[in-house]
Amino acid sequence: AQSVTQLDSQVPVFEEAPVELRCNYSSSVSVYLFWYVQYPNQGLQLLLKYLSGSTLVESINGFEAEFNKSQTSFHLRKPSVHISDTAEYFCAVRTRGSQGNLIFGKGTKLSVKP
Amino acid sequence: EPEVTQTPSHQVTQMGQEVILRCVPISNHLYFYWYRQILGQKVEFLVSFYNNEISEKSEIFDDQFSVERPDGSNFTLKIRSTKLEDSAMYFCASSASGVGSPQHFGDGTRLSIL
Repeated sequence: AQSVTQLDSQVPVFEEAPVELRCNYSSSVSVYLFWYVQYPNQGLQLLLKYLSGSTLVESINGFEAEFNKSQTSFHLRKPSVHISDTAEYFCAVRTRGSQGNLIFGKGTKLSVKP
Repeated sequence: EPEVTQTPSHQVTQMGQEVILRCVPISNHLYFYWYRQILGQKVEFLVSFYNNEISEKSEIFDDQFSVERPDGSNFTLKIRSTKLEDSAMYFCASSASGVGSPQHFGDGTRLSIL
């Protein structure tokens, strides 16, 4: 069985500060890793994904995440956040090589204050 | 950019009634999914559908639930006799063929059972 843990349910930060949203997973098989973002009253949007290759992946809006196999982590980071980054962020895994379902973490609400 | 669309955005139904949630996946996608998110809880997988049949389902997806792709464009989730605990946000998702293809989500249908 697979599971995803997002330890921080809420993360308040000031604008232009750095942020790290933590994600750890547990799986007996290799997985793909994803971060999704949910803005208020909207659906889940794919932010970035790790499938293979370089362990550091980046999104178009400045977020990055690093796959760490030994620590089974896929933490999301941004060096300088904007008000518009306020949203809920979900980490998810899927069994490598499958088209199967995503297993989600509980989500982290990022609140960026001016 | 093509989107997954879901209707209605909010559905209010009396307990015991049948409800059908509708989704139009991205047109060239082949894999379809339903997830739900009870308020304050994780996004949970319900069912995946490929080649006109269910490929995987969770324990939540019991005999009260069914899915259908009636006309080659819509993908529906039916709950036969709704219960109070079915109140949740229901998300439809689709993905293209190819291992590692990410799932694209709709904005969800908020189902409220009275």
